[in-house]
Amino acid sequence: QVQLVQSGAEVKKPGASVKVSCKASGYTFTSYGFAWVRQAPGQGLEWMGRISTYNGNTNYARKFQGRVTMTTDTSTSTAYLELRSLKSDDTAIYYCARTTSTWVDPWGQGTLVTVSS
Amino acid sequence: QSVLTQPPSVSGALGQRVTISCTGSSSNIGAGYEVHWYQKLPGTAPKLLIYGNNNRPSGVPERISGSKSGTSASLAITGLQAEDEADYYCQSYDSSLSGSFYVFGTGTKVTVL
Repeated sequence: QVQLVQSGAEVKKPGASVKVSCKASGYTFTSYGFAWVRQAPGQGLEWMGRISTYNGNTNYARKFQGRVTMTTDTSTSTAYLELRSLKSDDTAIYYCARTTSTWVDPWGQGTLVTVSS
Repeated sequence: QSVLTQPPSVSGALGQRVTISCTGSSSNIGAGYEVHWYQKLPGTAPKLLIYGNNNRPSGVPERISGSKSGTSASLAITGLQAEDEADYYCQSYDSSLSGSFYVFGTGTKVTVL
């Protein structure tokens, strides 16, 4: 079955960077793109961006442009999210999800990133 | 702030019907972009409930349905069950002069009385 398994929780200091991985299995990796979504404590879902596994094209939410990089490694069927210049309000659970046309399904289990001095 | 507005909460008794609205504008839902719905239970990843305005993935019960009209969309849950108590989010695409982006609604908490 289709499965997305994300890397473990991270604790970072303000100003640092974090890189979260998402390993896919159970389907042809290059047939679908990936989206990254986060949920801060007590807040709603927030779309961060998406990446095509076919050509690497990315579309980042305006809020994160200049601070985020999404990549994929087809040799290991893994997608990556890197977020730089972390601030305390970047503390959130970060989810990867497979994209079809415009919806996302399924989702990874989530990775908690805590930004604290 | 999201460009898709949902009521913060809705509630209903067991067995009743509840609806959740998702109000957008001419740059997203009103422009013809599809609306999708997700269920978020505490401590778990979101789950796709409805895609393409009114399509259910396999495994989602028929008592859950979606619709879209004009600049709004709705999710309906009939025969409300205890397991339906969760947060629900709509999602669509927004294209304006400031750019084109995917967006989530503000989220709605469903409480089963």
